[in-house]
Order: sequence, then C-alpha cells, then structure tokens
Amino acid sequence: NAGVTQTPKFRVLKTGQSMTLLCAQDMNHEYMYWYRQDPGMGLRLIHYSVGEGTTAKGEVPDGYNVSRLKKQNFLLGLESAAPSQTSVYFCASSSQVAAEAFFGQGTRLTVV
Amino acid sequence: SQQGEEDPQALSIQEGENATMNCSYKTSINNLQWYRQNSGRGLVHLILIRSNEREKHSGRLRVTLDTSKKSSSLLITASRAADTASYFCATLTGTASKLTFGTGTRLQVTL
Repeated sequence: NAGVTQTPKFRVLKTGQSMTLLCAQDMNHEYMYWYRQDPGMGLRLIHYSVGEGTTAKGEVPDGYNVSRLKKQNFLLGLESAAPSQTSVYFCASSSQVAAEAFFGQGTRLTVV
Repeated sequence: SQQGEEDPQALSIQEGENATMNCSYKTSINNLQWYRQNSGRGLVHLILIRSNEREKHSGRLRVTLDTSKKSSSLLITASRAADTASYFCATLTGTASKLTFGTGTRLQVTL
C-alpha cells in the first residue's frame, strides 16, 4: 500500500519555466491538499479539493493552479516559476473532512 | 496569516522529562489535530480532538482543548530521544473544509 506518492522528489527550475507536481493516493480519499513549507512558516495551504472535479483556494494560491480530473490524482501547476516559489511542497489526502490526513514525502523545488 | 501558532518555537529537554507544546488558533473549529514531522520527511498524524471534547489520551500523548481560549496543548510524557521532531497543530474549520497548520514546535530530546 503506497499511500500518498509525490512526483518528482526534487526539481530545479529556472525563473519563468513551468512545471507540474503530481500527487497520487491509493486510499480512495475524497479530500486532497497541497501545502508549501518554508522555514519558520510552518505549512501553508495552497489549494485543496473535496472531490473529483472540484478545487478551492487555500491561504496562498497565487502563482499556482490545480486540477483534480481523477479522484486519485491532484496536480499542482506552476505556470511561470519565480524564486519566491522555492519551497518544499507537500500533498496530503483524507477520507473525510474530519479525519486524519496522510502526507506524501514532499517535493523540494528550487527556482533559480 | 496562519490559523494556528505553536508555543514555544523550540524546546530542548532531557530524556525522561515531559514536553508540553501549546497551540493557539483564531477561528472556531470542528476539530484540532496534532502532527509530527521528522527532519526531511512528511507529516504523520498523532491525535485528533473534536471541538466538543476537552481532553484525549493516546499512549504517552495527552491533548487538551479549550475552545473558550482557542487553545490546545500537547503533552508528551517520559520523552525519548526518538521523540525529537517538529510538532504541528492543525485545525479544521467549519464549512470551508480547510485543514490549516500552525508554525510548529521543534522538540529536541537529549540523552
């Protein structure tokens, strides 16, 4: 049972490049979340989804887009990367809104 | 700004001592959860307390919730070196279905 898998684990981008981070979960969870973690800032919610085909903005959505075309996948896109988006990105999923969240191992992104 | 803030930001204790971390939040909640993060890893769920509960135990963990003060505390008893990690509180807010995290407490347990 893989749980929550994030791809890739590491990436270096040049300013202005685009990329997509993939999150896949095999637990049939309805809810999925994307967070970024910066030193001293804890985890900040970027976007989240409460079901297939739905997305909603979190605390820091600017510069990111998301899609949830399949229940098991939640994609995070950066259309034009900026150095301020250098961070560690975590995906999480949960079976219902009140339940515990399961996290992926993170993607370390550096924008130069 | 973030929903939750932990206090202290960092805590260093010796093995066998108890560790207490506090979390304050801003808006009404459905539940409050505590997570642990080892360096360079994803977060792992520890315990969940609902808004109508005041105290909950799980092994060496004890969580309290005071909704009137919008605060929670996590107590780890008889700490071990393996408890060294960062600990985060997370709150689930009403109709928004958002799970938001605090800034975390870094716990160092020394032998």
